[in-house]
Amino acid sequence: GAVVSQHPSWVICKSGTSVKIECRSLDFQATTMFWYRQFPKQSLMLMATSNEGSKATYEQGVEKDKFLINHASLTLSTLTVTSAHPEDSSFYICSNREGASYNEQFFGPGTRLTVL
Amino acid sequence: GDSVTQMEGPVTLSEEAFLTINCTYTATGYPSLFWYVQYPGEGLQLLLKATKADDKGSNKGFEATYRKETTSFHLEKGSVQVSDSAVYFCALSDRGLTGGGNKLTFGTGTQLKVEL
Repeated sequence: GAVVSQHPSWVICKSGTSVKIECRSLDFQATTMFWYRQFPKQSLMLMATSNEGSKATYEQGVEKDKFLINHASLTLSTLTVTSAHPEDSSFYICSNREGASYNEQFFGPGTRLTVL
Repeated sequence: GDSVTQMEGPVTLSEEAFLTINCTYTATGYPSLFWYVQYPGEGLQLLLKATKADDKGSNKGFEATYRKETTSFHLEKGSVQVSDSAVYFCALSDRGLTGGGNKLTFGTGTQLKVEL
C-alpha cells in the first residue's frame, strides 16, 4: 500500500503562532488527501479533504481560515494552524486514497501539536 | 448520516484468550467496512477490510465478517498476544448510490490490553 509521511512528528509552539504540518505521499501520486484530528482517547474526526490544484473541502464546524490547507503537488499537502491556541493542541493525521474502487486510505504517523 | 458504534474499552485479556470487539454501523449507501489498528505512538494501520455483504476480511489472525442483515462487522481473534495491545477502530466508507465518495467514518476506538 501507499506510504505516507508527516513532518514534524511533534511540535510545541507558543499561543498565537502558526504551525505548518507537511504530509507527503512517498510512493503514490495522491490527487486527494485527508486531514484528521484526534483528541486523546477519542476517534478521528475528518477536518477537510485536500484536493490537488484546487481548494480544500472543509467539514462542517471546521474553520477554513484557521486551518489552511494547501495541496500544490501530487505528493505534498500542508496544513497550517494559524494563530494557534491551547485548544488546538491535538494529534493531526493525514491520509491519502489509493484504489478508488476500494475506498481505502493510508495514514501518516501523525503530528502531535502542543500549544502553550 | 453514517455512523459507527463500537464497544467501549478498555478490554483487558490474558494472552491466548479469545477476542471479540463489536462494531455496528448505519449507512445510507453501500459501505465498505474496515478495521484499523493504532499501536502506541504510531499512526493508524489498516488491519482488514470487506467491501460487500458476507465478505470476510482477515489478517494476522484477526477476522471480521460483513453482516448486512445485522449491520455488523465484529472483530475476532482466536488467541491474542501481548503484541496485539493497541487501539482498534472500526470504520466505514460509504460509496453512496452513485458509487463515488470515500470519506471514512470512524468509531470511537476500543483499547485492547493483553497481559501475560
